Amino acid sequence: DAGVIQSPRHEVTEMGQEVTLRCKPISGHNSLFWYRQTMMRGLELLIYFNNNVPIDDSGMPEDRFSAKMPNASFSTLKIQPSEPRDSAVYFCASSPVLAGVEQYFGPGTRLTVT
Amino acid sequence: KQEVTQIPAALSVPEGENLVLNCSFTDSAIYNLQWFRQDPGKGLTSLLLIQSSQREQTSGRLNASLDKSSGRSTLYIAASQPGDSATYLCAVMDTGRRALTFGSGTRLQVQP
Repeated sequence: DAGVIQSPRHEVTEMGQEVTLRCKPISGHNSLFWYRQTMMRGLELLIYFNNNVPIDDSGMPEDRFSAKMPNASFSTLKIQPSEPRDSAVYFCASSPVLAGVEQYFGPGTRLTVT
Repeated sequence: KQEVTQIPAALSVPEGENLVLNCSFTDSAIYNLQWFRQDPGKGLTSLLLIQSSQREQTSGRLNASLDKSSGRSTLYIAASQPGDSATYLCAVMDTGRRALTFGSGTRLQVQP
């Protein structure tokens, strides 16, 4: 199994630009999670999906952030417009079911907004 | 709101020592607790998952315990090796909100 796949691995963009991060969960996993990691705030949940449906987006910091899961094998996290304070590592994770089992993390996307 | 604290923030030990990493959480209504390892610039690797009904889990040289009533978990690493050097993260899943709340991690360095 290839594990959770994220792209791009690194993204450098200028303030005001749109950024799209992509995630492919492990095949057969029904739950998908987006997290953000910064030095100041550590790892924080942004949003999670179950069976492609957003369940909890209370961690999404602002309306500039949006996430979609059009099918079971693909999800995107979009930031529009991006700001320097969005610079962080964004992780996608998946699990077979919503609770009671391990979450498997992707390698992350390191985003730098200048 | 659930809060997870890890002590110590950093730890440096000589190779071969047994060591204990601590994790505490404020809300005991958890579904499970998971320990992760993160190497610099890398993603998270799951080490152990303890369900709320369990007291401990073991994998090789690692043993994790859970005391839900007191809001504590420990990760015990036996006979530490330089390859164990990494940041160890504790995370809990609440019964209500089915997502992980992470501690800030313990950065471990094992000296050869």
